[in-house]
Amino acid sequence: EDQVTQSPEALRLQEGESSSLNCSYTVSGLRGLFWYRQDPGKGPEFLFTLYSAGEEKEKERLKATLTKKESFLHITAPKPEDSATYLCAVQGTGAGSYQLTFGKGTKLSVIP
Amino acid sequence: KAGVTQTPRYLIKTRGQQVTLSCSPISGHRSVSWYQQTPGQGLQFLFEYFSETQRNKGNFPGRFSGRQFSNSRSEMNVSTLELGDSALYLCASSRSSNNEQFFGPGTRLTVL
Repeated sequence: EDQVTQSPEALRLQEGESSSLNCSYTVSGLRGLFWYRQDPGKGPEFLFTLYSAGEEKEKERLKATLTKKESFLHITAPKPEDSATYLCAVQGTGAGSYQLTFGKGTKLSVIP
Repeated sequence: KAGVTQTPRYLIKTRGQQVTLSCSPISGHRSVSWYQQTPGQGLQFLFEYFSETQRNKGNFPGRFSGRQFSNSRSEMNVSTLELGDSALYLCASSRSSNNEQFFGPGTRLTVL
């Protein structure tokens, strides 16, 4: 059974204070690891897909990296508008591999 | 390009009733997945459809069912509603099973 654990559950940062969110996963075979951002009352917004260890992707102040056991979402010089819940999900290659298994998310608050 | 749309956005029902939720995927997307999101359990996979066929189902009781039409639009139905079914129901579409999933805004279901 695929499993995803995200830490910390919540994170408060001052504007401009860089940090990282962690996503640890266990999966029989990794088809893809996905990062989403979710604002209150809205559906998750797609950010990145990572497919293999060593891969990195960037978008504005966000950078996602992947190893064989975990992924990190690095946030550089965050702004208040980066406040949201960040979700990590994996898609495996095993039976029933069409679903995404999500972690419970990290709620990020960026204080001006 | 229009995103994933879900109707209705909000719904209030009483225990024992049934409900039908609708999802229109992004044009050209053939895979539709449904998820339930609650504060305690996070995002949990319900089922996935591709070309009108259900290919995978999560660990939910048989009261939860769905279908997909030839135009890729999908519906999910919950019969004999229970208080614990109160949640945000999210639909996601993707071009194929191996691509990133894009989420709609969700339907907020409240069961009284």
